[in-house]
Amino acid sequence: KAGVTQTPRYLIKTRGQQVTLSCSPISGHRSVSWYQQTPGQGLQFLFEYFSETQRNKGNFPGRFSGRQFSNSRSEMNVSTLELGDSALYLCASSATGGPGELFFGEGSRLTVL
Amino acid sequence: DAKTTQPPSMDCAEGRAANLPCNHSTISGNEYVYWYRQIHSQGPQYIIHGLKNNETNEMASLIITEDRKSSTLILPHATLRDTAVYYCIVSDMKTSYDKVIFGPGTSLSVIP
Repeated sequence: KAGVTQTPRYLIKTRGQQVTLSCSPISGHRSVSWYQQTPGQGLQFLFEYFSETQRNKGNFPGRFSGRQFSNSRSEMNVSTLELGDSALYLCASSATGGPGELFFGEGSRLTVL
Repeated sequence: DAKTTQPPSMDCAEGRAANLPCNHSTISGNEYVYWYRQIHSQGPQYIIHGLKNNETNEMASLIITEDRKSSTLILPHATLRDTAVYYCIVSDMKTSYDKVIFGPGTSLSVIP
């Protein structure tokens, strides 16, 4: 069974640009959650989608957005990039629909210059 | 604030058992204890979870105290590849994702 796939794995952007990250969950998993990880703040929850609906949202500005498609694949978008957005962005899928056993992807490492 | 507290770091000799403690004194009756680990620059990996009883799988054992206020993750024969940050979290099916907090975890160093 394929794991959670995140693309791209690495990317470099400049301030003011926007970025879209993709996450393909494990087949059959309908819940996808996104996290930002930085050395100073640790792993912070961004948002969670279930059956194309955003159910939970963390404390991030509106520049961070996401969506989920009918096949459960999810994308997150960050607009007007700031230097502080440099981070490892992780997505996780869950079979149970709740934040129980989460399966994480390898992450997308974003560097903003 | 995280509902769990863990020591920031631990060392363990290769081949010995690594015992990682976690305090969760405010855990509610229907909340599970979950353990994950994150090897440098990779995504966190699920290890094990439990409610009341001790659990064991191919990766580790989980010992939960009778009052459920603390637990210990045991890696029976630590290898260098077990060097990672270990996270202990508590949640149940109804917990909203924004309430599931990955704290700083315990940085385990397995020493040759």
